[in-house]
Amino acid sequence: GDSVTQMEGPVTLSEEAFLTINCTYTATGYPSLFWYVQYPGEGLQLLLKATKADDKGSNKGFEATYRKETTSFHLEKGSVQVSDSAVYFCALRSGGSNYKLTFGKGTLLTVNP
Amino acid sequence: GAGVSQTPSNKVTEKGKYVELRCDPISGHTALYWYRQSLGQGPEFLIYFQGTGAADDSGLPNDRFFAVRPEGSVSTLKIQRTERGDSAVYLCASSFGLAGGDTQYFGPGTRLTVL
Repeated sequence: GDSVTQMEGPVTLSEEAFLTINCTYTATGYPSLFWYVQYPGEGLQLLLKATKADDKGSNKGFEATYRKETTSFHLEKGSVQVSDSAVYFCALRSGGSNYKLTFGKGTLLTVNP
Repeated sequence: GAGVSQTPSNKVTEKGKYVELRCDPISGHTALYWYRQSLGQGPEFLIYFQGTGAADDSGLPNDRFFAVRPEGSVSTLKIQRTERGDSAVYLCASSFGLAGGDTQYFGPGTRLTVL
């Protein structure tokens, strides 16, 4: 079945550091890929998405590229801020189901000033 | 506009009791989803409604769990004879599209604790 494996946390960085959170997946067909973010005390929010191979999703300085050959969708940001502290979830929506999201376990990011 | 809302935000109950969790989707969204997030895990799919009907309930763990959406808007997740293992955050999401392929917008969740 579908599955998502993402980097174990927690990740602690200093402000302005470079961020990478790794995400790999297993899925049938051609899934759509997502990063969701959960800020403290808030609900899950879509951060970015990519729907086909080689697509790059980007938002708020974050980027992720859909790599079919390596089944990966790593999240990156060149310079993190304290306000980026949150839990980040990688997720996929399988081509066989255009509604069911399968999530990774989440990665807690803490950015210190 | 208003986002997805869920009530209550927290629910503490005793083992064996019945609970109802409510979800108010974004106005106009035809698709509604329930997920369950256990501690240290990502959300797991429970059920998907398109309008009033449950299009896919394959994620419901057993027959103690049931969900309804009688008028195609508000949904209620019902859990009978609660067990300690049911303790989790229950998330509701909604999307606009008829086929569910649009972005899912999540509510803040209901934290259920079964003592």
